[in-house]
Amino acid sequence: LAKTTQPISMDSYEGQEVNITCSHNNIATNDYITWYQQFPSQGPRFIIQGYKTKVTNEVASLFIPADRKSSTLSLPRVSLSDTAVYYCLVLSNTGFQKLVFGTGTRLLVSP
Amino acid sequence: KAGVTQTPRYLIKTRGQQVTLSCSPISGHRSVSWYQQTPGQGLQFLFEYFSETQRNKGNFPGRFSGRQFSNSRSEMNVSTLELGDSALYLCASSSPGQGAYEQYFGPGTRLTVT
Repeated sequence: LAKTTQPISMDSYEGQEVNITCSHNNIATNDYITWYQQFPSQGPRFIIQGYKTKVTNEVASLFIPADRKSSTLSLPRVSLSDTAVYYCLVLSNTGFQKLVFGTGTRLLVSP
Repeated sequence: KAGVTQTPRYLIKTRGQQVTLSCSPISGHRSVSWYQQTPGQGLQFLFEYFSETQRNKGNFPGRFSGRQFSNSRSEMNVSTLELGDSALYLCASSSPGQGAYEQYFGPGTRLTVT
C-alpha cells in the first residue's frame, strides 16, 4: 500500500469550500485514490474514488494531477455536519485489500 | 439499496464469555470484511470472507473467528473475552467496481468487556 500524508487537522466555517490535500508519492499504476469520512463511534463512510483528473459526485470532488502523486478532496459549502475525520487511502485494483487507515485529517466546521 | 446492517449495536460482556456479532451486507455484495477499531490501535483488519470462504486474515489470535453464510451474511465470534477486546467492531461489504474495491461499512457493534 502506498503511504499517504495528509494534514492532521483543518478548521473551516459553514458555507466555505474545504480542500484537503493528500500526498502519495509512491502511488503505483494500478492504484486508485479513495477517501473515507468517519464520525465518532460510527463506521467510515466511502466518499469518493478516482484514478486521474477529476471525479465528482453528490458529496465531493476529487482532483488528481497528471503525476498522481497527490490528490485533493474538495467539499463544497461545508456545514456543521461535515465535522469529521477524513481519510485518504491508496488502493490497488488487483483485488480485495484490507483497509489501513492512518490518522486522517480532523475537520472542524464552526458556525 | 439498504446499507450494511450490524446487530447488536451495543453489547456488554464479562471477561471469559464469548460473543457473536452479525453483519448483513449490501444486497449483491459477496465480500464481507471485519475490522476492530480502538482509540489506541486505530482500525485493524480482522478477516475477509467471500463466497463462504475466508480469503484474507489479519493478525489476530484464534479467539477471533468468523463465518459467512450462503446469503453472504456473516458472523464474527470472539471466545474467552478479554478486557482488551473492548472496541467498535465494524463490518464492511464490498464488490469489485471499475477501480479498487469500494468497501461500505456498517454502523458497528460497540462491545464492552468488563
